Amino acid sequence: GAVVSQHPSRVICKSGTSVKIECRSLDFQATTMFWYRQFPKKSLMLMATSNEGSKATYEQGVEKDKFLINHASLTLSTLTVTSAHPEDSSFYICSAREQDSRARGYTFGSGTRLTVV
Amino acid sequence: KNQVEQSPQSLIILEGKNCTLQCNYTVSPFSNLRWYKQDTGRGPVSLTIMTFSENTKSNGRYTATLDADTKQSSLHITASQLSDSASYICVVSGGGTNAGKSTFGDGTTLTVKP
Repeated sequence: GAVVSQHPSRVICKSGTSVKIECRSLDFQATTMFWYRQFPKKSLMLMATSNEGSKATYEQGVEKDKFLINHASLTLSTLTVTSAHPEDSSFYICSAREQDSRARGYTFGSGTRLTVV
Repeated sequence: KNQVEQSPQSLIILEGKNCTLQCNYTVSPFSNLRWYKQDTGRGPVSLTIMTFSENTKSNGRYTATLDADTKQSSLHITASQLSDSASYICVVSGGGTNAGKSTFGDGTTLTVKP
């Protein structure tokens, strides 16, 4: 089945530094990947849609200069949290869908727990 | 506005018992409805996916139903196990003018006790 690998699973960083999170589709190609943020006991909140070879589409209220997304290949998308602050601490999850596989739904990564101190 | 509402918000059951989780939605046009299981600190894992023409789908002890007319879905868990303790999320994807857009429910937190 489709597998999405997300790395790192946990990261602690100091305020003001930047953190990069990787999302890889291991056995399929994904022209589109999605980045979510999840607060405790809440469901996933879509932050942006990552499109291979073009600019990401950000949801309303999400700062594109704060959360940089790069989708340089059909199997890799990265999310960089720039100048991180404690309020950026959260659980970040990516998902991807196989090309031409609408019926299969989305495969999620295992998530990244970011703690900014 | 497209919405997905799940109930109950949380549920505690004894191991071996059955339970049913509900998902009501207003997404229209509709494409598909998916149920995911999310363990604490992990990403969601797909349980079932149903399109407009499907009204029931099973995955082991998990059985999902869909009534596209009333815009309701349920996830039935049979003979619950301790490992079923997790958050269950209903996700509805739109079709037509809403194609490519998914709306997430807030999830039901299930706790299975021995």
